[in-house]
Amino acid sequence: KQEVTQIPAALSVPEGENLVLNCSFTDSAIYNLQWFRQDPGKGLTSLLLIQSSQREQTSGRLNASLDKSSGRSTLYIAASQPGDSATYLCAVRDYGQNFVFGPGTRLSVLP
Amino acid sequence: DTAVSQTPKYLVTQMGNDKSIKCEQNLGHDTMYWYKQDSKKFLKIMFSYNNKELIINETVPNRFSPKSPDKAHLNLHINSLELGDSAVYFCASSQGTSGSMETQYFGPGTRLLVL
Repeated sequence: KQEVTQIPAALSVPEGENLVLNCSFTDSAIYNLQWFRQDPGKGLTSLLLIQSSQREQTSGRLNASLDKSSGRSTLYIAASQPGDSATYLCAVRDYGQNFVFGPGTRLSVLP
Repeated sequence: DTAVSQTPKYLVTQMGNDKSIKCEQNLGHDTMYWYKQDSKKFLKIMFSYNNKELIINETVPNRFSPKSPDKAHLNLHINSLELGDSAVYFCASSQGTSGSMETQYFGPGTRLLVL
């Protein structure tokens, strides 16, 4: 059974810092991995989707990497801004089209 | 223009009642999903529909039944509501189920409270 964990559970950084969020999964037979952000009381917004054959994806200040063999993905946020404050979730999909989400990392960027 | 919308936003009801939550997407997507986010904020997939066919059905109670009248709608009907059904329910859609088409777009959520 796939299990997804995220470290740290919460993170508080001053504005302008670069930061890394971690996602680990137990079963490396994944089809893809997505990173989402969730603002309080809101739905999820997809940030990046990495196919199992890819090593990384970039969008603006965000860069996500995937190491399937070690069961890890990282989300790198450059030059963090207060508007980046949210909960970040990773989700893995297997070849049976089952999605498993991690518990999320709650990020606070202080002005 | 709202991409994925859900109604109602809030739903407070008594145990044993039957209720429905509606979801509509105007993105022209082929696949829609229902997720449950419990009080601990864990998000779990419940169902997904692709071209009106159920392609995922997690081990949810059969009191929950998805109904898709057309490609743009996936409604969630819940019979005999229980206290443990209290959660936030999210609808989502994606263009397809492979490659980059699987990027999901989420609705704002429906907060269900069963008393």
